[in-house]
Amino acid sequence: KAGVTQTPRYLIKTRGQQVTLSCSPISGHRSVSWYQQTPGQGLQFLFEYFSETQRNKGNFPGRFSGRQFSNSRSEMNVSTLELGDSALYLCASSSLAGVEKTQYFGPGTRLLVL
Amino acid sequence: AQSVTQLDSQVPVFEEAPVELRCNYSSSVSVYLFWYVQYPNQGLQLLLKYLSGSTLVKGINGFEAEFNKSQTSFHLRKPSVHISDTAEYFCAVSAYQGGSEKLVFGKGTKLTVNP
Repeated sequence: KAGVTQTPRYLIKTRGQQVTLSCSPISGHRSVSWYQQTPGQGLQFLFEYFSETQRNKGNFPGRFSGRQFSNSRSEMNVSTLELGDSALYLCASSSLAGVEKTQYFGPGTRLLVL
Repeated sequence: AQSVTQLDSQVPVFEEAPVELRCNYSSSVSVYLFWYVQYPNQGLQLLLKYLSGSTLVKGINGFEAEFNKSQTSFHLRKPSVHISDTAEYFCAVSAYQGGSEKLVFGKGTKLTVNP
């Protein structure tokens, strides 16, 4: 099976712009989670989607949003970008939801905000 | 709320030496524990997980971890490391809390294996 794919892999934006990141989960996986990874804060959970419904959300401002399509592909959007949004954004998919789930991570999208 | 502390931010070792990466957690509820590895410019890969049962968990690439409930620890060990084990390792704790799932990662430990 193909792994989790994320596009684009690298992105440069300027403050105030918006950005959309895409994640294609492993075939058959219905859960997609998003994480932000920075050197200072480490890995922080953004949100999780399961069968097109957001089932869990982390402590991020409303500028961060996401959605999931019927084919389980997910997109994450960040509006009004700030310098502090520069990070590696990781997507992870799982066949199940719940605290016991094993997540399979993509390579990430590295976002640089200038 | 849960928290995870990885006690060492960097661990240098020589090839073929044993290594232990330490992880302590705090939680008021039952937890599930994970270790992930991140190679440069890649996403995270699951090494092993503890859900229930035997407290000694064996994972991929010769790694193992022991769940110690009384000490709230989940240390990762490998008896003999290779150069290819150079990577960043993350401990994570998952639990139901406040009606929702919470997954918290530690800050990571960078393992450098020297020849």
